[in-house]
Amino acid sequence: KQEVTQIPAALSVPEGENLVLNCSFTDSAIYNLQWFRQDPGKGLTSLLLIQSSQREQTSGRLNASLDKSSGRSTLYIAASQPGDSATYLCAVGFHSGGYQKVTFGTGTKLQVIP
Amino acid sequence: GAVVSQHPSWVICKSGTSVKIECRSLDFQATTMFWYRQFPKQSLMLMATSNEGSKATYEQGVEKDKFLINHASLTLSTLTVTSAHPEDSSFYICSESGQAKNIQYFGAGTRLSVL
Repeated sequence: KQEVTQIPAALSVPEGENLVLNCSFTDSAIYNLQWFRQDPGKGLTSLLLIQSSQREQTSGRLNASLDKSSGRSTLYIAASQPGDSATYLCAVGFHSGGYQKVTFGTGTKLQVIP
Repeated sequence: GAVVSQHPSWVICKSGTSVKIECRSLDFQATTMFWYRQFPKQSLMLMATSNEGSKATYEQGVEKDKFLINHASLTLSTLTVTSAHPEDSSFYICSESGQAKNIQYFGAGTRLSVL
C-alpha cells in the first residue's frame, strides 16, 4: 500500500526566505509525482508534475525534485511571498490492480509572514 | 492539457436530500475518472474509480449505495450523494487520466455542506 508523508505539517516563515517542503512515499514504483497548492476552501492548483523518468521540474520560483530510489521529493520555494501562503500537497501516481491510482500526502500548511 | 470541469463548486443541502456532482472532461474522452473526498484538516482520499459503460470500483469503506457513480458517456461522470447527512459534508473532487495516461487532471472541486 502506497503511503505518502509530508514534513513539516506546518511551516511559518518571514517573507523573502527560501524554503523546502518534503514529501516521502513508501513504494518507489510510481509513474509520476505532482505538487499542488490548495487555498482555504478552494480546489487544487497544479504546480509541478514530475514524470518518473525525470529528476526535477522548475516553474518560476518553484523547483521540485524527485529521487525515486529513496522515495523522496522536495519542493523548493525561492524568495517566499505572502501570496505563497497555502497548503501544499504532493500526490504520487502509481498503478495498482490494472488501474491508475493517486495517493495524496498529508499536506504542509505554509504561512509566509509579511 | 486536458481540462476538467466540475459543478457545482459549492452546494448546501438539507439532511436527507440527494446531491449530484458533475465532472466533465472538456477536451478529451475520458474512459476513466476518479472521485476523491477530503474531510476537514485531512488529505484527499480516493473514493472510487469510474469507468465508462461499466460499474464503478469503490475503495474500501466507501458505501456504493450511498455514493452513486454514473459514467454514461466518455465526457461525463456524476457522483450522487444519496440521503445526505451532516457527516457527508466534505470537499469532493474528480479527476481524469487524460490522453497521456500517466497524468491526472483535476476538477476544481465541490464543497458540500449538509445541514
